[in-house]
Amino acid sequence: EAGVAQSPRYKIIEKRQSVAFWCNPISGHATLYWYQQILGQGPKLLIQFQNNGVVDDSQLPKDRFSAERLKGVDSTLKIQPAKLEDSAVYLCASSLRGSPPDRDTEAFFGQGTRLTVV
Amino acid sequence: AQKITQTQPGMFVQEKEAVTLDCTYDTSDPSYGLFWYKQPSSGEMIFLIYQGSYDQQNATEGRYSLNFQKARKSANLVISASQLGDSAMYFCASPCRQLTFGSGTQLTVLP
Repeated sequence: EAGVAQSPRYKIIEKRQSVAFWCNPISGHATLYWYQQILGQGPKLLIQFQNNGVVDDSQLPKDRFSAERLKGVDSTLKIQPAKLEDSAVYLCASSLRGSPPDRDTEAFFGQGTRLTVV
Repeated sequence: AQKITQTQPGMFVQEKEAVTLDCTYDTSDPSYGLFWYKQPSSGEMIFLIYQGSYDQQNATEGRYSLNFQKARKSANLVISASQLGDSAMYFCASPCRQLTFGSGTQLTVLP
């Protein structure tokens, strides 16, 4: 079974530039997550999709971040314009479903995109 | 909203000894679950073990087991017979409406 695919693996941009990340979840997984993980911290949920609808985006800085999941499969996360504090690893994860909680809510993670804003 | 708390930023353990990593949760939802993930320095998130709130027994997966105490709202991870490869960050996480992670514990296994 193929895992969660993310690209690119690494990205370096200047502040105020824009950047986009792509995620392809495991086939059949209805729930997709985007997390921001700053070095030394736990992953912080940015947005959670159930199929192509948004379940939670309360921690997404909507003035500069946007995300979409067209057709309930692939997803893109965009930052425009980037700030220095956006430097982090952006993790995409998917699960069969998001709730109610049981083993089917286990999240499978991609390898992440390491973003450096200079 | 739920909250996951890991109070140990760093832990050290001697190889072959057991270690307990703490995790407490705060939720009013009667149906919940708790995951533990391992994140080595390479960055990938690896699933270790799951405990459901209605499970009658503590979960076990090989050298990993959970000390689940509902009254204390804690789900501590016990790693038996530590190995050098166990050195990593360990995260407790809970799915409710969102999948929320704690701040993690950096475990270092000493030879």
